[in-house]
Amino acid sequence: DAGVTQSPTHLIKTRGQQVTLRCSPKSGHDTVSWYQQALGQGPQFIFQYYEEEERQRGNFPDRFSGHQFPNYSSELNVNALLLGDSALYLCASSATGRRTNEKLFFGSGTQLSVL
Amino acid sequence: RKEVEQDPGPFNVPEGATVAFNCTYSNSASQSFFWYRQDCRKEPKLLMSVYSSGNEDGRFTAQLNRASQYISLLIRDSKLSDSATYLCVATTSGNTPLVFGKGTRLSVIA
Repeated sequence: DAGVTQSPTHLIKTRGQQVTLRCSPKSGHDTVSWYQQALGQGPQFIFQYYEEEERQRGNFPDRFSGHQFPNYSSELNVNALLLGDSALYLCASSATGRRTNEKLFFGSGTQLSVL
Repeated sequence: RKEVEQDPGPFNVPEGATVAFNCTYSNSASQSFFWYRQDCRKEPKLLMSVYSSGNEDGRFTAQLNRASQYISLLIRDSKLSDSATYLCVATTSGNTPLVFGKGTRLSVIA
């Protein structure tokens, strides 16, 4: 049973470019959350997708957008990249239910470097 | 003020030592608490949930003090393999986003 898979593992972009990161949730999971982890910081919540809609959103600008597909996989898009967007982007999946936070599984992340 | 604050570390301890990490949270509506472990820029992995009555899992003990809005993690008989960053997490319910602290780095030395 594959866990949460993310692609690519590493990415280098330049300022102003756009990037798309991909995530496939663990089998049986229907909810996908994205987190940004800058160096030396804890992960910060970007947004969560369920039933192909953004259900919750953290304090991130509109340059960050996402999508969820009918097969529950998800994409994170970042436009007009800034140097400060350099970070590890983590995808986490869960199944809907009362205590999803205790059954949250993280992917190994995409390391984005913006030059 | 950060919602979840942790001892900055790093903690450098010899094998076999007992080490304690502290964490405070500012949102009094927080209901669920966790400790995650993260190795060298890999994904965070759930170490244990933290319950009001305190809980133990082998060498690891977690405690919660709601009055002081304080969480702790105690590691006994430290192993080299315990070297990692430990992230304190709070959330207001089972389905709301996790709020992470910055993490505390632990290095266990032979």
